[in-house]
Amino acid sequence: AQTVTQSQPEMSVQEAETVTLSCTYDTSESDYYLFWYKQPPSRQMILVIRQEAYKQQNATENRFSVNFQKAAKSFSLKISDSQLGDAAMYFCAYRRDATSGTYKYIFGTGTRLKVLA
Amino acid sequence: DTGVSQDPRHKITKRGQNVTFRCDPISEHNRLYWYRQTLGQGPEFLTYFQNEAQLEKSRLLSDRFSAERPKGSFSTLEIQRTEQGDSAMYLCASSLVFGNTGELFFGEGSRLTVL
Repeated sequence: AQTVTQSQPEMSVQEAETVTLSCTYDTSESDYYLFWYKQPPSRQMILVIRQEAYKQQNATENRFSVNFQKAAKSFSLKISDSQLGDAAMYFCAYRRDATSGTYKYIFGTGTRLKVLA
Repeated sequence: DTGVSQDPRHKITKRGQNVTFRCDPISEHNRLYWYRQTLGQGPEFLTYFQNEAQLEKSRLLSDRFSAERPKGSFSTLEIQRTEQGDSAMYLCASSLVFGNTGELFFGEGSRLTVL
């Protein structure tokens, strides 16, 4: 069974600095998707960034980028120029490719990010 | 487009009572998911639908839980004979089948407290 592990329950970063959140996953599949979701306090979860496993190039979205290491099954999120609004729970998620016949998303336990002014 | 809406947002009930949650997905989205989230944990998969068909259900899900999506639009999640361990946030999410970037759109959740 696929699993997603986030080993950092909580991280802190100074405003304007850079922080990296870690995620590892376990799968025997070769095609899949990886996601980072952000859940601000008392608000709904929103997508931050996604990565297709067949793409070697790391995804970037403005201040957010990932370091995707397929062989190591590692998918870390880097937040540059951290802002107070980045404070939230961050969840790493995995979904198998469409050809697997399932569209279930598996989430990690999350990392709480605190941004210090 | 008003996003994914869930009702009620908060529900307090006594142990043994039945509760029902409703989710209205984004109108053109044909996949709908239910997740459960307890404090400090990540979302735990419960079930998902494609149109009106329930395609997958967690093996961890008690038979006290049932979900429906009768016309492929809104969905309901019913919990019968609630237990204190059912206290959690119940999240609904929806997505497209075609032209799908894989993004799930979440509602704000329905928080259940079982006394």
